[in-house]
Amino acid sequence: DPKIIQKPKYLVAVTGSEKILICEQYLGHNAMYWYRQSAKKPLEFMFSYSYQKLMDNQTASSRFQPQSSKKNHLDLQITALKPDDSATYFCASSAGVSNERLFFGHGTKLSVL
Amino acid sequence: GDQVEQSPSALSLHEGTGSALRCNFTTTMRAVQWFQQNSRGSLINLFYLASGTKENGRLKSTFNSKESYSTLHIRDAQLEDSGTYFCAAEAASSSFSKLVFGQGTSLSVVP
Repeated sequence: DPKIIQKPKYLVAVTGSEKILICEQYLGHNAMYWYRQSAKKPLEFMFSYSYQKLMDNQTASSRFQPQSSKKNHLDLQITALKPDDSATYFCASSAGVSNERLFFGHGTKLSVL
Repeated sequence: GDQVEQSPSALSLHEGTGSALRCNFTTTMRAVQWFQQNSRGSLINLFYLASGTKENGRLKSTFNSKESYSTLHIRDAQLEDSGTYFCAAEAASSSFSKLVFGQGTSLSVVP
């Protein structure tokens, strides 16, 4: 019974289009994150949110915009998609923003053609 | 620059044997976590350590902040232990939880 739900599991998009990756967590956590795993690279931190406020942003491109409509939701909108954006995007959560164990969703595998 | 150096990159174990994975840190880290990524791609949190040693079943992990390394020991390896293992650490200079991941160790347990 997954406690962090990511939708969809797989996503195929065309270059230039826009997609939204959905994440909901039912762990009662206050902090949520997005990480990206590209081929042949370690997982990379993208964003952290605490109580729906952006805490840290390590993504250079403004094409990536997190959206938090509720404390347990953190969606990721990606605009003007490029083939280089192809990766698995993992949502994660923790009880607080520091010194806390991190739990991951199963990921959304995005392929941009 | 690279802050987490993980080794080995790949490892093959026979069932029932054991080995250790290691992460060296090039900057001071305040905590480390270890994850297993299974065949379905899911990331499972194995350990969180701010210091010292923790044990869970056939797994044991140590974090030495002063000497900037962490290890994950696997004993009596089973087929289901196959997968990729990642260490990830929080820099002491970081205000918020931002994990820096190692490159991963691809573990294959064979009969």
